[in-house]
Order: sequence, then C-alpha cells, then structure tokens
Amino acid sequence: QKEVEQNSGPLSVPEGAIASLNCTYSDRVSQSFFWYRQYSGKSPELIMSIYSNGDKEDGRFTAQLNKASQYVSLLIRDSQPSDSATYLCAVKASGGYNKLIFGAGTRLAVHP
Amino acid sequence: SAVISQKPSRDICQRGTSLTIQCQVDSQVTMMFWYRQQPGQSLTLIATANQGSEATYESGFVIDKFPISRPNLTFSTLTVSNMSPEDSSIYLCSVQGDRGNYGYTFGSGTRLTVV
Repeated sequence: QKEVEQNSGPLSVPEGAIASLNCTYSDRVSQSFFWYRQYSGKSPELIMSIYSNGDKEDGRFTAQLNKASQYVSLLIRDSQPSDSATYLCAVKASGGYNKLIFGAGTRLAVHP
Repeated sequence: SAVISQKPSRDICQRGTSLTIQCQVDSQVTMMFWYRQQPGQSLTLIATANQGSEATYESGFVIDKFPISRPNLTFSTLTVSNMSPEDSSIYLCSVQGDRGNYGYTFGSGTRLTVV
C-alpha cells in the first residue's frame, strides 16, 4: 500500500512566525508532490506543487522536496490567522495512474 | 486551471435510496477522479473515470455501490446507491490541470447525510 504520512497536529504557531509542515511518502518512484489547503467545510485548494529536489518558493510559501529521504515539507513564512486550516500533502501515484494519494492532513492554528 | 461545477452541494437522504452527484468541467479532460472525505478524515479515492471506458475502482469500492458515468470529456456522475448512514461523507470530483500545470483541481464537494 502506497502511503503518505503527516502529523495530524494541531500545529499552533503565533502570528508572524514560520509554520513548518512535514510529509513522508513510501513510493520511491513518485515524481509529483502537492500541498493543498482545506478550510473547514470547503474543498481542497492547491497551494504548491513540486517535482524536483530542492526548494520552490511562491510568495510566503516554500515547498521542499528530498526524494532520497522521501520527504516533502511546506514552510509558511509570516503566518497569519487566515492561514489556519488543514494542510494536505498529496503524492501522485507511480505506474501511470495519475491519481493522487493524500495524507491525513495537518491542522494548523495561527494565533494572534 | 479547470473550473468544476459540482452539484448538489448538499443533501439529506433516506437510507436505502440513491443519490447522483454531477460534475461539469469547463474544459475537456481525460481523467476525472472521485474522492470521499469522511468526517474529520482525509481524502480517499473512490475511482478514476475515463471517457468511453469503465471506471477503475480502488480497493474497497465497487461499481454496484458507486456506479460512475463518463459520457463525454467534460462531464461525469457518481451515484451512491442503497445508502446507509455510513455513506455520510463529502464527495468530491477532481481533474488534473491543463498541460504545463499539473495541479489537480477539486469541485466544491457534495455533503451527503444519510438518515
């Protein structure tokens, strides 16, 4: 069973701090990785995708990928209360199926 | 990225009945994906729907319970059949992004409550 694992949290950070969210995956052949944000009662919203080892930055978000360690992370700089949500890590399955396998999600709470 | 219209947004259904959920995409897509999100849980893939062929179901999901139609490249339906309270979940459809943008987009979801 190909799995994606995340710490369910909650991860509580003060406003303005850096939030660090982590994810590990079991499928060594996976090539595409995604971070989604899901507010309560809403559908998941794509915030970052990453395909190569290293860092990818987009505004306050930085995704980090280490394929050797099978590890993906998301950093949120200058965290805001509006960032409070569940963050889902997703890995595209290998084998040509194109489906995404999701982790359980990490709940982030940013307090003023 | 693609825009998906999903309906109904929510419904309350009697056990033993069926509900059909529709997803309409504003562009042609090869694959559409149907997910279930049970209360407080993450997303679990139900099946992948390709136009012109039978849907591919994940382990634990069967066609008799979750029949899927995919009549063209912009539309799909998922039916939840013979419902029980355990089927109370959010159901979401998803498509892969356009060429050059491989992010997956989700519909707004259908919140189903079975009583």
